[in-house]
Amino acid sequence: AQSVTQLGSHVSVSEGALVLLRCNYSSSVPPYLFWYVQYPNQGLQLLLKYTTGATLVKGINGFEAEFKKSETSFHLTKPSAHMSDAAEYFCAVSDGRTGFQKLVFGTGTRLLVSP
Amino acid sequence: DTAVSQTPKYLVTQMGNDKSIKCEQNLGHDTMYWYKQDSKKFLKIMFSYNNKELIINETVPNRFSPKSPDKAHLNLHINSLELGDSAVYFCASSQKAGEETQYFGPGTRLLVL
Repeated sequence: AQSVTQLGSHVSVSEGALVLLRCNYSSSVPPYLFWYVQYPNQGLQLLLKYTTGATLVKGINGFEAEFKKSETSFHLTKPSAHMSDAAEYFCAVSDGRTGFQKLVFGTGTRLLVSP
Repeated sequence: DTAVSQTPKYLVTQMGNDKSIKCEQNLGHDTMYWYKQDSKKFLKIMFSYNNKELIINETVPNRFSPKSPDKAHLNLHINSLELGDSAVYFCASSQKAGEETQYFGPGTRLLVL
């Protein structure tokens, strides 16, 4: 079975500061990894994903994440936080090799950005 | 030109009632999903259909029955609603199964009184 652990239910940063949201996964097969963002009262939007190939993945809105197999991690970063980044962020894992993608989500991290 | 739409957006009902939530995608995708997000924001997959065929059925009470009349629609019918069914239900779709990105609808907020 696959699982995801997101460390920290809340992360607070100042505008302009580095954003680091942590995600560790557990998977017995090579994982596909995703970061989704959820703004208040909205659905989820894909930020970025790792399937195969380059381990540093760039996404929308200046976010990026690095797949580190040795650490079973897929942390999300952004060099400089913006007020509009305040939202709930979800890390997810799936085994795409089975042919049918079932996303297993972490419990989410709320990013708070202060002026 | 909404990609994945759900109706209704809000649903308030009494315990014991039967209700349906509708989902439509205009992306031409083959695969659709239902997720449940509880009050602690935890998201869990419930069902998935690929070309109108059920392919994922998680441990969900029999009171929940998905129906896919065609590739673009996946509806969720819930019988005998219980307090614990209160949650936000998200529909999603993807081009096909596998590594494809899932596109989520705006969610239906269900409150059972």
